[in-house]
Amino acid sequence: EVQLVESGGGLVQPGGSLRLSCAASGFTIIGYSMNWVRQAPGKGLEWVSYISSNSEITHYADSEKGRFTISRDNDKNSLYLQMNSLRDTDTAVYYCARALPSGRFLEWYYYMDVWGKGTTVTVSS
Amino acid sequence: DIQMTQSPSILSASVGGRVTITCRASHSISRWLAWYQQKAGKAPKLLIYDASILESGVPSRFSGGGSGTEFTLTISSLQPDDFATYYCQQYNSYPWTFGQGTKVEIK
Repeated sequence: EVQLVESGGGLVQPGGSLRLSCAASGFTIIGYSMNWVRQAPGKGLEWVSYISSNSEITHYADSEKGRFTISRDNDKNSLYLQMNSLRDTDTAVYYCARALPSGRFLEWYYYMDVWGKGTTVTVSS
Repeated sequence: DIQMTQSPSILSASVGGRVTITCRASHSISRWLAWYQQKAGKAPKLLIYDASILESGVPSRFSGGGSGTEFTLTISSLQPDDFATYYCQQYNSYPWTFGQGTKVEIK
């Protein structure tokens, strides 16, 4: 069964750091782009970050630029999100999601087909 | 950034009824739009991608349409399992953005 399992969430003080992990099973992440998406309590979905299959390309939402770093370890079949300088507005459930390509060669567009169940991050003093 | 606006925000409907949710983009996104279903406390589930392609395993009562800036998600005959919140999301350009969600409630 294709599955993503997030871990590493918890309670952290404002200004603190946290590293989230996402372990894939049932498939190898090599060849897949991956993403992080979050959802604040009672709110909608917010895309956070993207990483290409070979780690050469990354994208971030404006509010996370310079504070969050996405990375991957294909040998460990895992995705990561390093979060620094955390704010109370970063409180959310964080999901990892696999991305599949659509379009044509050199003009790929990626949509998210498999999602993990999420890990909860609470930023509070 | 491309803004995605869904309407309505809340929709009350009966089992067996036909439901249509609209999603508008602030700029043209061609067909690069996905629809997700989310139930309380659960992860989002992909329903449709490329505006109109049904994800494998999703019931055929779900359909998507549109291109450019206006898109629709239609449920042809609402089932009890369909009461949930639905989100559109554009993947035409970064940052990817979601609509604010449409909650489908039992009438």
